[in-house]
Parts: sequence; C-alpha cells; structure tokens
Amino acid sequence: GQNIDQPTEMTATEGAIVQINCTYQTSGFNGLFWYQQHAGEAPTFLSYNVLDGLEEKGRFSSFLSRSKGYSYLLLKELQMKDSASYLCAVYKAAGNKLTFGGGTRVLVKP
Amino acid sequence: DVKVTQSSRYLVKRTGEKVFLECVQDMDHENMFWYRQDPGLGLRLIYFSYDVKMKEKGDIPEGYSVSREKKERFSLILESASTNQTSMYLCASSFGPDTQYFGPGTRLTVL
Repeated sequence: GQNIDQPTEMTATEGAIVQINCTYQTSGFNGLFWYQQHAGEAPTFLSYNVLDGLEEKGRFSSFLSRSKGYSYLLLKELQMKDSASYLCAVYKAAGNKLTFGGGTRVLVKP
Repeated sequence: DVKVTQSSRYLVKRTGEKVFLECVQDMDHENMFWYRQDPGLGLRLIYFSYDVKMKEKGDIPEGYSVSREKKERFSLILESASTNQTSMYLCASSFGPDTQYFGPGTRLTVL
C-alpha cells in the first residue's frame, strides 16, 4: 500500500516563504509530482522530481530525497494568488498511477 | 493548448438513479483517469484506461463502472447512485508516463 502525508493547512504572509512537506511510504516509486489547485478549479501541474535534489522553477522549488521518502515544495515571495491547495502525488510506473496525499491548503495573508 | 472537458460542472441526482459523467480530451492522449476528491481524503483513483476498450480498477472502484469506446472519451457510470457518492469527480488524461492534465471537475450531489 501507499501512505502519503502532508500538513492540512498552512498560513503565511504576503512576501514570505512557505515550505510544504510531503512524506511517503510506498511499495514502488518512480517520481513525485506537485500540483496546485485553486478552490473550485482543476489541479494544475507544478513540478515533477525523479532524482534526488532541488528543482527550481521561478518562485517555486521542489526537493526530493528518495532515501528518506521526503519531498518539499518551497514557495518564495508569496503572493495573494498563491492561496490554494497544494497536492503531493507519488508516481508508480507499474500501473502508470498517481497516488495523492490529502493536500495542503495555503492561505496567504496581506 | 491542452484541454480536458467534463460534461457538467454541477449535477444533482436522486438515490438509485443511473448517472453518467462524460470526459473528453483533445490531446490524443492514451491514458485517461477518473478520480473523486473529498475533503481531507485528497484525490482517490476510481478507474483508469490505457487504451480504447481497456480499463483498470483504481483504488476505490466499488459502485462505479467505466466505458471507453473512443480514444478521446472516457465515461464514468454510477449504476445506482447512493448518497455516499456525493463528491467532486475529476477526469484527467496523460500521454504515456507523463504529467496528467485535469478537467474542471463535476460536483455531484446525490439526494
């Protein structure tokens, strides 16, 4: 089976940095996705990590440690529009499936 | 531009009714998926399909079936809707082992 944990909710101030952690225990692992989902909208792709290390994409970065079963999404220079849920998902090639964590709702305050 | 569409944004049905949720993608993707999303539980995979007329059970297939007669269309069927199937239903598609693109979702309420 698969177990994916991330915090339920986080609050941060506009302009600050927030780090969303995701830990996983899976029987197979081929990569980790992060998606952003605004209320009432579809999830949209943010990042995909296959190898250990940090991937930076503008204000967003994602980190993966396969040996520790750990990833984080780092949001820098927070803007009000970053208020959304952030979904961590483990990709398993056998079966071509994604398994999602419960999502972290981030609230950015002025 | 990538596009996944779902037939309805909001749907209200009665217990025992047969419900069809339609999903269409215009990207010629091989893979299509149906999820449901509930507060605190995240997205859970119901069924997926690798190709036309092929289907595989996901993590929570009970009470659902699917149909894929054409590559671009993947339908989710609730044979006899129940109140515990009230949820947000999301369809997604992907090309091979790659990023999944999601539709806008259908919020289904079963009374």
